[in-house]
Amino acid sequence: EAQVTQNPRYLITVTGKKLTVTCSQNMNHEYMSWYRQDPGLGLRQIYYSMNVEVTDKGDVPEGYKVSRKEKRNFPLILESPSPNQTSLYFCASSLSLAASTDTQYFGPGTRLTVL
Amino acid sequence: AQKITQTQPGMFVQEKEAVTLDCTYDTSDPSYGLFWYKQPSSGEMIFLIYQGSYDQQNATEGRYSLNFQKARKSANLVISASQLGDSAMYFCAMRGIQGGSEKLVFGKGMKLTVNP
Repeated sequence: EAQVTQNPRYLITVTGKKLTVTCSQNMNHEYMSWYRQDPGLGLRQIYYSMNVEVTDKGDVPEGYKVSRKEKRNFPLILESPSPNQTSLYFCASSLSLAASTDTQYFGPGTRLTVL
Repeated sequence: AQKITQTQPGMFVQEKEAVTLDCTYDTSDPSYGLFWYKQPSSGEMIFLIYQGSYDQQNATEGRYSLNFQKARKSANLVISASQLGDSAMYFCAMRGIQGGSEKLVFGKGMKLTVNP
């Protein structure tokens, strides 16, 4: 089954404790992206990757890191989480974004709470 | 810069009636794509429909259609014959080139409630 998986689905942590949210897709997609969703703000892009070893900042990259060592995986790293990073996080992938068939497929989301 | 505007924070509709969800966009790119996603209370993002900027006809997918008015820069979603399961958040998004890279920009979303 074609899918994007994220782990963990729920996480409660404390300020400053490094964490990683994993994202994996099995569709051989080139484009992967991380978003955060906050009430009243919609989805905002954190980082994206056009292909292996190619990553770039989105609209709200501060406090986050990513890596793309393999095509299927795109982990999101919070080196020193702070309470303002409490949010719902989505990973998404698509073949690219260039054509109508290149729809972004979303993971199930990770609800992160930073105390 | 690309921007998506969804001005309706929430709407109510009776079951079996049609409803239109508004979306306006701003871009200077001649080539772009417009998407609608549904987010039910369970949280997942579900792709509904896509419209390309060069598409001559409005996109349709089952009960969903997109009223694309290029000159007005609007891409409204029309849901015909609403069902209770249509109650959800709906997001409009635009794909385009920004800073040499492809990006997808989302609106803030709107909440649709279908009443029995």
